[in-house]
Amino acid sequence: DTGVSQDPRHKITKRGQNVTFRCDPISEHNRLYWYRQTLGQGPEFLTYFQNEAQLEKSRLLSDRFSAERPKGSFSTLEIQRTEQGDSAMYLCASSLVGLAGTGELFFGEGSRLTVL
Amino acid sequence: TQLLEQSPQFLSIQEGENLTVYCNSSSVFSSLQWYRQEPGEGPVLLVTVVTGGEVKKLKRLTFQFGDARKDSSLHITAAQPGDTGLYLCAGAQVSGAGSYQLTFGKGTKLSVIP
Repeated sequence: DTGVSQDPRHKITKRGQNVTFRCDPISEHNRLYWYRQTLGQGPEFLTYFQNEAQLEKSRLLSDRFSAERPKGSFSTLEIQRTEQGDSAMYLCASSLVGLAGTGELFFGEGSRLTVL
Repeated sequence: TQLLEQSPQFLSIQEGENLTVYCNSSSVFSSLQWYRQEPGEGPVLLVTVVTGGEVKKLKRLTFQFGDARKDSSLHITAAQPGDTGLYLCAGAQVSGAGSYQLTFGKGTKLSVIP
């Protein structure tokens, strides 16, 4: 399978715990995005990387959230001291921009977080 | 304020009926994308429209981008139960610095009853 993969698919944690999600993008894609989606809403932009550089962060991304893409391949999204309001589906997407790419986003299946 | 307004929010129709979903904004987009999402899955890209007035067809689905690149519609002919899902529109804005921002609407939840 050469699509975007996310791990874990589901995570249940207690309030105050830290959680980390991993995203493996399509291998030749240079951009990687994180979105959050709650019930009844469309995905909301959190942050994106061009190769290993984090180029933009949403105001939704509080200081408890940190994202990395150390070698320009996979990315991690860590949430520290989780709160019940963090419960959501966390979606990763990748795209190829530049002469060979269209910039269209391809999404993974998401990581669903439930904070008790 | 929701940048992209989708309507209707919910739609339940009988198999074989036609339907139209709308996506409206006061902002101009460089392109607009339509996605379909099933419960527990990520969105899957259906189409990208780029040029004002552009019409694209994907089997029974017809997508149109408004002349001013601020709105779009999705028309489904002879809906089938397999069309059931959440339809999301997303507008792309590109800055001079190369920043690419894709903003989603809340979606239209479609149920097609056999």
